[in-house]
Amino acid sequence: EAQVTQNPRYLITVTGKKLTVTCSQNMNHEYMSWYRQDPGLGLRQIYYSMNVEVTDKGDVPEGYKVSRKEKRNFPLILESPSPNQTSLYFCASSGQGTNTEAFFGQGTRLTVV
Amino acid sequence: AQKVTQAQTEISVVEKEDVTLDCVYETRDTTYYLFWYKQPPSGELVFLIRRNSFDEQNEISGRYSWNFQKSTSSFNFTITASQVVDSAVYFCAPGATGTASKLTFGTGTRLQVTL
Repeated sequence: EAQVTQNPRYLITVTGKKLTVTCSQNMNHEYMSWYRQDPGLGLRQIYYSMNVEVTDKGDVPEGYKVSRKEKRNFPLILESPSPNQTSLYFCASSGQGTNTEAFFGQGTRLTVV
Repeated sequence: AQKVTQAQTEISVVEKEDVTLDCVYETRDTTYYLFWYKQPPSGELVFLIRRNSFDEQNEISGRYSWNFQKSTSSFNFTITASQVVDSAVYFCAPGATGTASKLTFGTGTRLQVTL
């Protein structure tokens, strides 16, 4: 089954404690992205990757890091989480070509206290 | 940078009514995709429809149809004979660079369908 898998689904952490949210896709997609969703703001892109070792900032990259060492994985790293990073996070992947769409993971609800 | 306006924050309809969700976008790209996604109360994002910017033909797919007008930068989405299961937040999202890798989401329209 084609899917994007995020872990964990829920996470509560304390300010300053480094954390990683993993994302994996099994569709051999070139593109992967991270978004955060906040009430009244829709989804905003944090980072995206065009392929292995190629990443670029999205609209709200501050406080986040990413890496793309393998095509299937695209972890999101919060080196020093702060309460304003409390949000719902989505990972997405998409392929090249004319009939493409973004497939989204189930979401990770992060609370930073 | 792209921008999306979904002016309708919330819409309530009675089951079997038709409902149209509005979307107006801004982009500098000459080639782009336009998407609609649905987010039901369970929280996942479900792909609904995609339209290429060079194809203004409007289509119907089951109970879904869309009206893309490049001249007015609008990409409206209609659900015919709405059902309670259609209750969700609907997002319009243009994609930059002719891919689905950089989506700009609107703030969403919450649709409530009641019996």
